[in-house]
Amino acid sequence: GAGVSQSPSNKVTEKGKDVELRCDPISGHTALYWYRQSLGQGLEFLIYFQGNSAPDKSGLPSDRFSAERTGGSVSTLTIQRTQQEDSAVYLCASSLAQGLGTGELFFGEGSRLTVL
Amino acid sequence: AQKVTQAQTEISVVEKEDVTLDCVYETRDTTYYLFWYKQPPSGELVFLIRRNSFDEQNEISGRYSWNFQKSTSSFNFTITASQVVDSAVYFCALSEPWNSGNTPLVFGKGTRLSVIA
Repeated sequence: GAGVSQSPSNKVTEKGKDVELRCDPISGHTALYWYRQSLGQGLEFLIYFQGNSAPDKSGLPSDRFSAERTGGSVSTLTIQRTQQEDSAVYLCASSLAQGLGTGELFFGEGSRLTVL
Repeated sequence: AQKVTQAQTEISVVEKEDVTLDCVYETRDTTYYLFWYKQPPSGELVFLIRRNSFDEQNEISGRYSWNFQKSTSSFNFTITASQVVDSAVYFCALSEPWNSGNTPLVFGKGTRLSVIA
């Protein structure tokens, strides 16, 4: 597709279960970002990939969160032993590498996670 | 440290009114980038504008205009003659250059704009 694709669009899980969220960026975009948007909050940065490496993991809220990116394309965000406070919309974005500074980010529609 | 403050949580206006959304930022860098994004009810964020710190010229795009003032660390966004379709959450964001070339954006908490017919 032409845009950033995320799956699943909605996920309901029980507390303590693991979940995987997938992001398929725009073809050719080398930079990929994960953000979290909780109700009434702004966008919270989680992790950023340049190619397959993650220069900045500073936003991951705990060691239950991890992410990987393979082949410079698809990325998976994994949340282990989910907690109710993990409920949020997880947004993925991609951009072209543009030297210094950040180019326009293209966002997916998000994966809404509800932890019961 | 980077920080973006959007003091207005929610704004309601009547159609055709002008409305200004405020954005104040903090950064220690002299080179940085400022952005505005729109998040309509459908949920997908839409890029509106990017401005680098060396360009203080105000910009106008149709009914949208942006006022960048380094002296007050502000990057305000005005919608002229608002329309119902402008109803959305608007986010201001800040990015600083980095060795690797791309930096994550730091977003404000957003301003929810409701335009009433």
